[in-house]
Amino acid sequence: GDSVTQMEGPVTLSEEAFLTINCTYTATGYPSLFWYVQYPGEGLQLLLKATKADDKGSNKGFEATYRKETTSFHLEKGSVQVSDSAVYFCALSGLTQGGSEKLVFGKGTKLTVNP
Amino acid sequence: ETGVTQTPRHLVMGMTNKKSLKCEQHLGHNAMYWYKQSAKKPLELMFVYNFKEQTENNSVPSRFSPECPNSSHLFLHLHTLQPEDSALYLCASSYRSGENTGELFFGEGSRLTVL
Repeated sequence: GDSVTQMEGPVTLSEEAFLTINCTYTATGYPSLFWYVQYPGEGLQLLLKATKADDKGSNKGFEATYRKETTSFHLEKGSVQVSDSAVYFCALSGLTQGGSEKLVFGKGTKLTVNP
Repeated sequence: ETGVTQTPRHLVMGMTNKKSLKCEQHLGHNAMYWYKQSAKKPLELMFVYNFKEQTENNSVPSRFSPECPNSSHLFLHLHTLQPEDSALYLCASSYRSGENTGELFFGEGSRLTVL
């Protein structure tokens, strides 16, 4: 079945450091790919998405490129801030056995940015 | 304001209690979801409703009973739960169309503790 594997956390960085969180996926067909972010005490929010191969999603300084050849969707940011501290989830769109749309999530990577 | 509202935000219940979680979306979406978020595990899809019809029950125990009276409201009725059911329960909604990218909008979650 469809699955998402993302790097284990936690990740701790200093402010202005470069961030990479790796994500690879296994899926049939051509899913859309997503990064969601969960700030402490809150639900998940969409951070960025890409719907086809070679698309680059970007938002708030974060970027990720849909790489079909390596089945990857790594999240990057050039200079992190304390406010970026959160849990980041990689996800792909898929179908349930009943034919409904669903998201398949990775386990999440907790990022802590220190001043 | 995410457009998806969950109540209560926190719930503590004994194993013999009956309680319900409520979700309401104000986004005009036509699909609603329950996900379970446990520590150190990927988000688990529990139920999917499209146009008020349940289209997925992801092998969820019968002590969890969903109800979707209309496309804006979703409930999760809880009865004789176990301590291992303690988790954050996330409601989400989406708009299904012919070219759906699978984007979900999440509520802030209901933190459930079963004693």
